[in-house]
Amino acid sequence: QQQVKQSPQSLIVQKGGISIINCAYENTAFDYFPWYQQFPGKGPALLIAIRPDVSEKKEGRFTISFNKSAKQFSLHIMDSQPGDSATYFCAASSGGSARQLTFGSGTQLTVLP
Amino acid sequence: DGGITQSPKYLFRKEGQNVTLSCEQNLNHDAMYWYRQDPGQGLRLIYYSQIVNDFQKGDIAEGYSVSREKKESFPLTVTSAQKNPTAFYLCASSSTGQGQPQHFGDGTRLSIL
Repeated sequence: QQQVKQSPQSLIVQKGGISIINCAYENTAFDYFPWYQQFPGKGPALLIAIRPDVSEKKEGRFTISFNKSAKQFSLHIMDSQPGDSATYFCAASSGGSARQLTFGSGTQLTVLP
Repeated sequence: DGGITQSPKYLFRKEGQNVTLSCEQNLNHDAMYWYRQDPGQGLRLIYYSQIVNDFQKGDIAEGYSVSREKKESFPLTVTSAQKNPTAFYLCASSSTGQGQPQHFGDGTRLSIL
């Protein structure tokens, strides 16, 4: 079964700190790894995504680190802000015209003021 | 504004009743998806469609049905055969090229009366 395992389930960080969320996958055919941010009562919104041909991608305060040999990838949120408090999902998909995403179980991030 | 509209936002189902959740997109996307979200389990794929008049089962299709008569519409029916329908249902759409992100609506919360 294709799985993406996400940890931790919940995370509390002080304002200005670094938030780190980790994901591991099993299917070596996965070739697209997005991260989504979801606020209560809203749908997930794409935050940042990476392909396995690069080891790191940065967009503003958000960075994905990717380790192909370990089949792991992580999201780093630098200078975490209370407005970053949300649920974060990692996901993965493999080739095909309809990108069937396999989601992790989510991490609820709380950034304390 | 381009986007995905899901309606209603809240829906209640009586025992033995079928209910239909609406999903409309004006992004001109070919692919559309339905996910179910339960606490602590991430998003699970119910059905997806790559083109009008064609759709495929996802991981948890039992007790659900869909249609795709128009490019912009992908309604989901939760049938009486779905014994545990209480969940947050999310519709998404995407272009069908490689690396095209999925865009989500704001969901419908279904509860049992």
